[in-house]
Amino acid sequence: ETGVTQTPRHLVMGMTNKKSLKCEQHLGHNAMYWYKQSAKKPLELMFVYNFKEQTENNSVPSRFSPECPNSSHLFLHLHTLQPEDSALYLCASSPRLAGGTNTGELFFGEGSRLTVL
Amino acid sequence: GDSVTQMEGPVTLSEEAFLTINCTYTATGYPSLFWYVQYPGEGLQLLLKATKADDKGSNKGFEATYRKETTSFHLEKGSVQVSDSAVYFCALSGVYGQNFVFGPGTRLSVLP
Repeated sequence: ETGVTQTPRHLVMGMTNKKSLKCEQHLGHNAMYWYKQSAKKPLELMFVYNFKEQTENNSVPSRFSPECPNSSHLFLHLHTLQPEDSALYLCASSPRLAGGTNTGELFFGEGSRLTVL
Repeated sequence: GDSVTQMEGPVTLSEEAFLTINCTYTATGYPSLFWYVQYPGEGLQLLLKATKADDKGSNKGFEATYRKETTSFHLEKGSVQVSDSAVYFCALSGVYGQNFVFGPGTRLSVLP
């Protein structure tokens, strides 16, 4: 069992729907991340949270709204998405924010496969 | 900014063949280097890592050596198995607060 759990694993939604992706980590980590993985494109970092505070928003459209109520939970709220937003959304966590003297690894969940019709 | 380049593949090999997936990076200072693997239908998981020049990371028969002089971290395995079929990502964690930077991934298919 992975220490990072994502739900739902699969989601199909229309362009006018509102849905949310959930991520929960049981590893005691302080940093959490949302990545987008599209076919034939590199992994895209979307958002970074450190101790519940957002430290990075990688020019993500406002139809994606993250929420981090505590260090163990991370949400991605979705509304009025476009078909090109269909992708695998990966959540990850790390003990501390990556970079600097932190040589730790990222721990990934299994992802939420989103299809926008 | 920091970046990672790797051969995109796909790479198709027969079982027991030798594997090399090239990875080079551009970064300020001495980043930490990683190889992640993604099996079908799963998220990424760490395969191996190296945190300083000349370090060798190894796991499950895979190896990679941190080469500062050539800014490379090539992944190798002496004898691949069908179960090694996956997508392999080279990544770095920068020195100056840069978040993880991933390469585009290399799809490996191993045929029996």
